This record gives sequence, C-alpha cells and structure tokens, in this order.
Amino acid sequence: GEDVEQSLFLSVREGDSSVINCTYTDSSSTYLYWYKQEPGAGLQLLTYIFSNMDMKQDQRLTVLLNKKDKHLSLRIADTQTGDSAIYFCAESTNTGRRALTFGSGTRLQVQP
Amino acid sequence: ETGVTQTPRHLVMGMTNKKSLKCEQHLGHNAMYWYKQSAKKPLELMFVYSLEERVENNSVPSRFSPECPNSSHLFLHLHTLQPEDSALYLCASSQAEIGTEAFFGQGTRLTVV
Repeated sequence: GEDVEQSLFLSVREGDSSVINCTYTDSSSTYLYWYKQEPGAGLQLLTYIFSNMDMKQDQRLTVLLNKKDKHLSLRIADTQTGDSAIYFCAESTNTGRRALTFGSGTRLQVQP
Repeated sequence: ETGVTQTPRHLVMGMTNKKSLKCEQHLGHNAMYWYKQSAKKPLELMFVYSLEERVENNSVPSRFSPECPNSSHLFLHLHTLQPEDSALYLCASSQAEIGTEAFFGQGTRLTVV
C-alpha cells in the first residue's frame, strides 16, 4: 500500500535554512505536495511538484525530488519564526479520485 | 482563506447526539473529500466524492455518513459517535480531472464526550 514517512520534529535558529525530508513508497505517485498547518488551522498548500521534475523553486522554498530513491525534501531559506508550524508531505497518483496520502507531519520549531 | 469553508469550527457532542458538519466551496471544483486528523496518526482519507458521486469510502464506520447534494456542498452526518472519534475533520476540494492541488478548509474540531 501507499506509505509516506517524515521525521517528527526539526528545530532551527532564525535565519538558518530548514530542510524537511519525506520518503514515499508508491512508485506510481504522480504529484507530490508540501502543506503547512499552523496551530488551530487547516492545511495550506505551500508547493507541489510533478514526478517528472526534480526541482522546483518558489521564493524561499526549494523542493527537491529524487524519484529513484522516492525522496522528497523541502528547503526553507532564511527561516523565520512565522515558519513555525507542522509541515506535511503528501502524494497522489494519476487516478480519478485525486485523493492525497499524507505523512505524519514534521513539526518545525524556529528559535529566535 | 482558501475558498473552502467549514462549519462549525468547533463542536462538542455527546455520544447519543446527532450532528452534521458542513463544507462549502465556490472554486468550481468537482471533487470533494473528508479527511480525519487525529493527534497521533497521519491524516486519514475518509470519503471522496467526484462529480457528486461517492467514489471512495475508506472503511469508515457507519456512524459517519457523508452527503454531497451538489458539487459545492459536502456534509458529514454524525451519530452515536465514540470518544475516539474526537479529531479535526478536514474538508478539501480539487479539480478531479486535472489533478493539481487540493484546497483545504480550516477544519471542524470535534470533541465527543
């Protein structure tokens, strides 16, 4: 079955770069996503990448995809205290339902 | 604001109550989803509706009953819930054929007492 795994916790200092890692098992994954969840809020899509890409950059966010190793990472440059949240990796396949399979989330704590 | 609105934001109900969660989207999407987020588990897909037809039901107990009267509205009817059903229930919508991002509501925090 599908499985998405992430480390549970990451702590960085303000101004440093953060790298959040994710591995997945479904080789038919077509889309891979990073969502952010702040306390008491729903999920906010940060960025996504198609499986035929290996990198995507969007302002402070860089997504790297190693399809061979089924490894996805999210790099946040110049991390700010407002980036403190839970970050979820998710994948979906190219089927009609388009539902997402999520990892358990990585809690990012940014120290001032 | 993602364009997906869930009500209520918080709900406390007894095990014998019947209540409904509501989700509304005006993004022109044709697929809607219910997810459950518990404290110690990954987000779990519960139900998928595509073009108003239920296309997936992930072995969810019958005390949860979804309803999708049109492509903009999705309900989750709750009855005789258990304390372990306490969780954050998230609704999402997407464009099924295109398969890009899903937009999530802010969730309903449900507590069963």
